Amino acid sequence: DADVTQTPRNRITKTGKRIMLECSQTKGHDRMYWYRQDPGLGLRLIYYSFDVKDINKGEISDGYSVSRQAQAKFSLSLESAIPNQTALYFCATSDPGENTGELFFGEGSRLTVL
Amino acid sequence: EDQVTQSPEALRLQEGESSSLNCSYTVSGLRGLFWYRQDPGKGPEFLFTLYSAGEEKEKERLKATLTKKESFLHITAPKPEDSATYLCAVQTGRRALTFGSGTRLQVQP
Repeated sequence: DADVTQTPRNRITKTGKRIMLECSQTKGHDRMYWYRQDPGLGLRLIYYSFDVKDINKGEISDGYSVSRQAQAKFSLSLESAIPNQTALYFCATSDPGENTGELFFGEGSRLTVL
Repeated sequence: EDQVTQSPEALRLQEGESSSLNCSYTVSGLRGLFWYRQDPGKGPEFLFTLYSAGEEKEKERLKATLTKKESFLHITAPKPEDSATYLCAVQTGRRALTFGSGTRLQVQP
């Protein structure tokens, strides 16, 4: 089983719909992240959480919200999806006690907003 | 604001043809520079961390180097299985990583 699991893996939705992407991890890491990947733009940080009580905005947080339900779970929500939120979304974790730049990524969630 | 620029955007090599990928960065207070490999449809996988100018790390056919302004990922005698997108990222202070847009490498047999 994957250490970082994202659901759903693929989702097609319509403009205005509320969407939640979920991430769970079995690595026991405190730090969790949501990134978005678009062709030619690389990975851009949406939100990150260094522990259950710590939530921080990344460079592109507008239109998104997150919830850290437990150490192992970090969800990303799009309250009212729009077409330019069509992208590949990645959840990642890292361990603050080790190399904090070594991120462990999930397999990605591909979201299409029509 | 941290900036990371990777070049070239895409690179096509023949098997055995060595080359280098570039990652230039503009940051204040570099804490670490990271290289990742990403295969199609997969999440990125960690390769190397470099912390200070002059540092080098090697793994099989890959060698990463770091100066005060850029990092290189040297690929020696590449094989088709080295085909992937290679991502560079920087970390400053307590913040999360800032990624470059990547270099798509294709190695033809």
